[in-house]
Amino acid sequence: DIVLTQAPLSVSVTPGESASISCRSSKSLLSSKGITSLYWYLQRPGKSPQLLIYQMSNLASGVPDRFSSSGSETDFTLKISKVETEDVGVYYCGHRLEYPFTFGSGTKLEIK
Amino acid sequence: QVQLQQSGAELVKPGSSVKISCKASGYTFTSYDMHWIKQQPGNGLEWIGWIYPGNGNTKYNQKFNGKATLTADKSSSTAYMQLSSLTSEDSAVYFCATPLGAYWGQGTLVTVSS
Repeated sequence: DIVLTQAPLSVSVTPGESASISCRSSKSLLSSKGITSLYWYLQRPGKSPQLLIYQMSNLASGVPDRFSSSGSETDFTLKISKVETEDVGVYYCGHRLEYPFTFGSGTKLEIK
Repeated sequence: QVQLQQSGAELVKPGSSVKISCKASGYTFTSYDMHWIKQQPGNGLEWIGWIYPGNGNTKYNQKFNGKATLTADKSSSTAYMQLSSLTSEDSAVYFCATPLGAYWGQGTLVTVSS
């Protein structure tokens, strides 16, 4: 199974500052079709996860452009600029390259 | 708009089975896979598998072979997941979700306790 390792475990951010979350894959997530199968989700407290980013760098519908993602075939970074209080929650990376699909263990974002 | 409405919380005894549902609306149910994801208390996300309601095809995470059974009823646009031989390790919130995780149900809490 592909292992996704996230860092840090938690991050505390002052509103208006930026935050970065890392996700490292045990295998290249570049598919034979040239798509990088890396996704980012946010799970707010007590809520279901929501899709933020698909195929490594594409913003999901309705997601503010304060969120961005980039990376290589195995190393990825989610950046949140100008953090707001509504960004609090646990961020997960996930892949859909091959079965079984797996997720990282999550990074908790808190507000200072 | 797309909505996935899941059934309510379940308290079940060890060794028994439970069947939870996910009613879809706002899109063509038979045209997209329905995925199921497990989240144990305080833990991360674990992909269980998917079902394609159009023809009933399924794909499971090997870890859940024999534990989870996915079905779908086209007439009511509802997907189901049955969990069998329940143990405390099956206590979790279970989500249904559309492909890529664009839409998620609200989750169903399953508690296994005697």
